[in-house]
Amino acid sequence: EAGVVQSPRYKIIEKKQPVAFWCNPISGHNTLYWYLQNLGQGPELLIRYENEEAVDDSQLPKDRFSAERLKGVDSTLKIQPAELGDSAVYLCASSFGSAGTEAFFGQGTRLTVV
Amino acid sequence: SQQGEEDPQALSIQEGENATMNCSYKTSINNLQWYRQNSGRGLVHLILIRSNEREKHSGRLRVTLDTSKKSSSLLITASRAADTASYFCATDAGTGNQFYFGTGTSLTVIP
Repeated sequence: EAGVVQSPRYKIIEKKQPVAFWCNPISGHNTLYWYLQNLGQGPELLIRYENEEAVDDSQLPKDRFSAERLKGVDSTLKIQPAELGDSAVYLCASSFGSAGTEAFFGQGTRLTVV
Repeated sequence: SQQGEEDPQALSIQEGENATMNCSYKTSINNLQWYRQNSGRGLVHLILIRSNEREKHSGRLRVTLDTSKKSSSLLITASRAADTASYFCATDAGTGNQFYFGTGTSLTVIP
């Protein structure tokens, strides 16, 4: 069974440009997460979806970040415009069922804003 | 802000020795999980312990949870070079699947 798939793996863009990341969760997983991870730090939650509904987006900087999860499956995270401080690894994860289940992570997208 | 804090930030041991890392958190939790992250990779789930459990084992891993002290420890016995990675605790305090990660412990196992 395929795990969580993210693309691209690496992205280099100039500041003020838009960028989008894509995530395909494990089939059947109703919960999808986007995390941001800075170098040497733990992942920080940006947004959590239950099916197609964003149930926790309190940490998402909504002035420049947006996310969607069409049909409750794949998800896209967008930054527009990107800033230098957005350079980080963006991780997608998915899980199935009620509270207290493990999350499966993708390999992440490493974004460099120059 | 992150819920948990791991201690120590970095740990270096010889192969065959045991490695212990600790996690402290701030609020009441439903469960606590430990994850491993190899350099440049995603996180891999290791073990989950629920708030009504005190100890759990999985292979060479032993996790304890002390809810009165709001702390957990991860013990890796008979360490191997392949155990070299960063280890994170993640707490679930809400009603849904909400995970908040700590700052991580970087473990180096010297062959």
